[in-house]
Amino acid sequence: QLVLTQSPSASASLGASVKLTCTLSSGHSSYAIAWHQQQPEKGPRYLMKLNSDGSHSKGDGIPDRFSGSSSGADRYLTISSLQSEDEAAYFCQTWGTGRWVFGGGTKLTVL
Amino acid sequence: QVQLVESGGGVVQPGGSLRLSCAASGFTFSSYGMHWVRQAPGKGLEWVAFIRYDGSNKDYTDSVKGRFTISRDNSKNTLYLQMNSLRAEDTAVYYCAKDQSAEYFQHWGQGTLVTVSS
Repeated sequence: QLVLTQSPSASASLGASVKLTCTLSSGHSSYAIAWHQQQPEKGPRYLMKLNSDGSHSKGDGIPDRFSGSSSGADRYLTISSLQSEDEAAYFCQTWGTGRWVFGGGTKLTVL
Repeated sequence: QVQLVESGGGVVQPGGSLRLSCAASGFTFSSYGMHWVRQAPGKGLEWVAFIRYDGSNKDYTDSVKGRFTISRDNSKNTLYLQMNSLRAEDTAVYYCAKDQSAEYFQHWGQGTLVTVSS
């Protein structure tokens, strides 16, 4: 079964970096994912598509502070030089034939 | 730029029906698949339905099969979600999203709230 697992919460200080993790279920470690950001009271925003080899393609206007990487079944989103507007929920998402799956999301708090 | 504007949400009794609309602009609507995604209050995102660019193929999450119907009118650049036999657990903000290669959601709308309650 295709499942994505994320930690419910994370926190980091203003100006620091944070690395969020999304883990693919057993047997699906080659899958690509996408990362989406949802700021409070807003609709989600596509950040990037992240492949199993760590290559990624970002959405329009996504700052260089956002980057992705991969290791085995883990997919990472790194945000550097944290700003207050980065406080948001971050969802990973993947796809199969006729189905699309989200992780539970990580709520990032910027201290 | 791409704009997706949902409408049609509201309060409906259990067992009732509602039709959501999503007006699209800023891209060639007839060339892209489209999705509906929902988010229950305080919860995460859940994919609901997908329709191919020409309407020839549709997919649904199991919990809405037989109750919800996704459709589109490419002449009006509009996506629809007909929701019948609504249940309390269908209460959520419903987002429409532009598909990219049947892989991920490239652009999102701002959502419309559906509340199923007596």
